[in-house]
Amino acid sequence: GAVVSQHPSRVICKSGTSVKIECRSLDFQATTMFWYRQFPKKSLMLMATSNEGSKATYEQGVEKDKFLINHASLTLSTLTVTSAHPEDSSFYICSARGTVEQYFGPGTRLTVT
Amino acid sequence: EDKVVQSPLSLVVHEGDTVTLNCSYEVTNFRSLLWYKQEKKAPTFLFMLTSSGIEKKSGRLSSILDKKELSSILNITATQTGDSAIYLCAVSGSGGSNYKLTFGKGTLLTVNP
Repeated sequence: GAVVSQHPSRVICKSGTSVKIECRSLDFQATTMFWYRQFPKKSLMLMATSNEGSKATYEQGVEKDKFLINHASLTLSTLTVTSAHPEDSSFYICSARGTVEQYFGPGTRLTVT
Repeated sequence: EDKVVQSPLSLVVHEGDTVTLNCSYEVTNFRSLLWYKQEKKAPTFLFMLTSSGIEKKSGRLSSILDKKELSSILNITATQTGDSAIYLCAVSGSGGSNYKLTFGKGTLLTVNP
């Protein structure tokens, strides 16, 4: 089946620094990728829809200047958390839309100290 | 705004029991309903349902969609401890663009030996 990878799987950074998370579709091209955030024991919250070659579409309440999304190619989308703060600590999951369903990456655990 | 409600939020059973998880939804231009299982990392796909009344089965798991009632159930028979997980229901609508998924809060299933 289709595979989506994320890198890194876990990152710890200091408050005020920026962190980039990569999402790759390994065996298919994805014109659309999605970024989700999940707090402990909560459901996935869609943050933004990443479209190859165009600007991302952000959900209400998600700061576009804080969570920068770049979908530079059909197999790669990146999420950069800028000037990270402890409240940004969370599990970030990407998914890529295939022909039938969405395929999820393994997630990235971000801890901001 | 699309909405997905799952019940119960948590459930504790003994091995061998049968469980039924519920999902109801409100979505603009319904396309599909999906069930995912989430253990420690990102969700793994279980079923995608698009047509009412047609049961999908995979081993001890089965699911069916009722478009008239705007709901779906996920059944697990002869539960095992390995079934312990969060089960997420998501709907895809084309009211917006890019077929984004809206997730419910999930049902936390615990299967005790």
